[in-house]
Amino acid sequence: NAGVTQTPKFRILKIGQSMTLQCTQDMNHNYMYWYRQDPGMGLKLIYYSVGAGITDKGEVPNGYNVSRSTTEDFPLRLELAAPSQTSVYFCASRAGTGTGWETQYFGPGTRLLVL
Amino acid sequence: ELKVEQNPLFLSMQEGKNYTIYCNYSTTSDRLYWYRQDPGKSLESLFVLLSNGAVKQEGRLMASLDTKARLSTLHITAAVHDLSATYFCAVDRSSGTYKYIFGTGTRLKVLA
Repeated sequence: NAGVTQTPKFRILKIGQSMTLQCTQDMNHNYMYWYRQDPGMGLKLIYYSVGAGITDKGEVPNGYNVSRSTTEDFPLRLELAAPSQTSVYFCASRAGTGTGWETQYFGPGTRLLVL
Repeated sequence: ELKVEQNPLFLSMQEGKNYTIYCNYSTTSDRLYWYRQDPGKSLESLFVLLSNGAVKQEGRLMASLDTKARLSTLHITAAVHDLSATYFCAVDRSSGTYKYIFGTGTRLKVLA
């Protein structure tokens, strides 16, 4: 199993450009998450999904959009990039057995720089 | 506002010493998770604590949960250099929502 994979690893965007961060998991997990981590800080939840076709906002959704058409994929779209979106983005997934024992599995991250 | 606060934020300690990292949270959840992050790397799961009084141990790390005090601790015994990393706690916004709030992290540096 590859686990959670993210592409690209690093990207430089100009202000106003758009891009899609890709996330794929091969563990058949229902739950998927997008977080951002600013330098020296914890993770903040951007969006999450409880299954294909179902998404919801997290703490910091402004400037981002998501879709979940398959169990495996959960892309994050940045529209009109701004310097405040410079961050490291982590995708995560977890199984959905409902017991609470399931931990999140994180991808390697995408480092984004907006200039 | 729901908060998860860790202290200390930075900890420099000598090898062989013991220390405790604290995680205070304000949510009503009784589910708490500890993660480790090496510099420039992703997060790795350490412990899952699901009930009051839960204690988990792995090697030199031991985590506990007191849901009444809304406090979790991560105790380090006889620290070694390989434990140098940033440690995060995370909680459910409320039990069963599976929407997590992370603490700001404790950066641990173990000096040889």
